[in-house]
Amino acid sequence: EPEVTQTPSHQVTQMGQEVILRCVPISNHLYFYWYRQILGQKVEFLVSFYNNEISEKSEIFDDQFSVERPDGSNFTLKIRSTKLEDSAMYFCASRADANTEAFFGQGTRLTVV
Amino acid sequence: AQRVTQPEKLLSVFKGAPVELKCNYSYSGSPELFWYVQYSRQRLQLLLRHISRESIKGFTADLNKGETSFHLKKPFAQEEDSAMYYCALSSKAAGNKLTFGGGTRVLVKP
Repeated sequence: EPEVTQTPSHQVTQMGQEVILRCVPISNHLYFYWYRQILGQKVEFLVSFYNNEISEKSEIFDDQFSVERPDGSNFTLKIRSTKLEDSAMYFCASRADANTEAFFGQGTRLTVV
Repeated sequence: AQRVTQPEKLLSVFKGAPVELKCNYSYSGSPELFWYVQYSRQRLQLLLRHISRESIKGFTADLNKGETSFHLKKPFAQEEDSAMYYCALSSKAAGNKLTFGGGTRVLVKP
C-alpha cells in the first residue's frame, strides 16, 4: 500500500540554524499539507499546497517557514532560523483530491537546542 | 473559526466494556467530521468519516448537528483498540485543512 514517507525521523538542530524536513507524498496525490504537534498539545495545521502554490497557511506559518515541491515528488518544509519553540513533531499529509482522505507520514521529530 | 474539543484526555476501560469518546465541534458552515487513530509508534490513520456512515473495527460515530457532536462508540472494547484517538473537522470553505481536537488516549485493560 502506498505511504507518505518523511525523512529524517528525528532531527536535532541548534537554535538559529536552518532545517529542511522532507516528505514524499503518495505519487498520484495533488494536495499536500504540513501539520505540527508540540509535545502535549494539539495537532495544528501549518500550510496546504496545491497546484504548485500555497493555498492556505496558518498564523504559525510566518516568514521563517517555506515550502517547496522542487522535483514533482518531494515536498519540503524549511525553517530558516529555528527557535526553541519550533521543537515539535512535524507531519506531512497528502490527498488525491479535495474529497478523499488525507494520508499522513510517520512524522519528523524536530528538537531545537 | 473551526474548533474541536475532546474533553477526555484519557479513557481507561476493561476489555469487553463499551467505550465512548466524546467530540464536540464549533463551525458555522457545513463541516466534515473525522476520527483519526494513532496506534503506538504508528502514523495517524483515518478511522471514520461521517459521510461514509460505516462501522470500522466495530467503531461507529454519528454526527449530531443539533448538539454539534461526533462521538465515537464501540460496544465491546478490545485490547488492540488501545491508541490515541483524534477527532477532526474540515470543510471546503476552509480549504479542506483538518482542525484536530486534543486527542483522547484509550487504554483497554485485560
